[in-house]
Amino acid sequence: SQQGEEDPQALSIQEGENATMNCSYKTSINNLQWYRQNSGRGLVHLILIRSNEREKHSGRLRVTLDTSKKSSSLLITASRAADTASYFCAPDNYGQNFVFGPGTRLSVLP
Amino acid sequence: GAGVSQSPSNKVTEKGKDVELRCDPISGHTALYWYRQSLGQGLEFLIYFQGNSAPDKSGLPSDRFSAERTGGSVSTLTIQRTQQEDSAVYLCASSLNWGETQYFGPGTRLLVL
Repeated sequence: SQQGEEDPQALSIQEGENATMNCSYKTSINNLQWYRQNSGRGLVHLILIRSNEREKHSGRLRVTLDTSKKSSSLLITASRAADTASYFCAPDNYGQNFVFGPGTRLSVLP
Repeated sequence: GAGVSQSPSNKVTEKGKDVELRCDPISGHTALYWYRQSLGQGLEFLIYFQGNSAPDKSGLPSDRFSAERTGGSVSTLTIQRTQQEDSAVYLCASSLNWGETQYFGPGTRLLVL
């Protein structure tokens, strides 16, 4: 199994600003997924990007993937207070189970 | 539509007691996963089931932990002789097939006194 490592561990921004968080991993992947967790319960899947994709959009979310650097980034544009949550990346390694890292705790201040 | 459900939502037990946590995955999902999240920590993979294959138990922290999945649907995670360090939120997820998007339940918050 491999674990995605999110960076930074914590991020505070003002409402309306953009938030960028990064994920690094160690071995080759089939796809990489980002999840959000509110209040320590129930993760919600945000977006999946496959290894042959470089960028993907979903609403205010933009995910990039650089397989040469083994890294991904999640950009949330025009942030809202409701975006306050922990964000986790999950690199999926061709049949190996993945373990979530500690995540990035995002605080969006009104 | 119905998502992943877990029960109970909260469980308080005494050290040394056994507990059973239940997960109802989304209907038709062949893969089911159990994770544990201790306070302030990331998710820790415990076990997953894929179809009728033998489960991958590589993440179970000790032999006090076991899980089964009956009829390819409902799963039960059992913790025997609970210890205080077992206190955590236990999350279940399911996906249509292994490796695809996982949908998480709300979790069971376990407190061992």
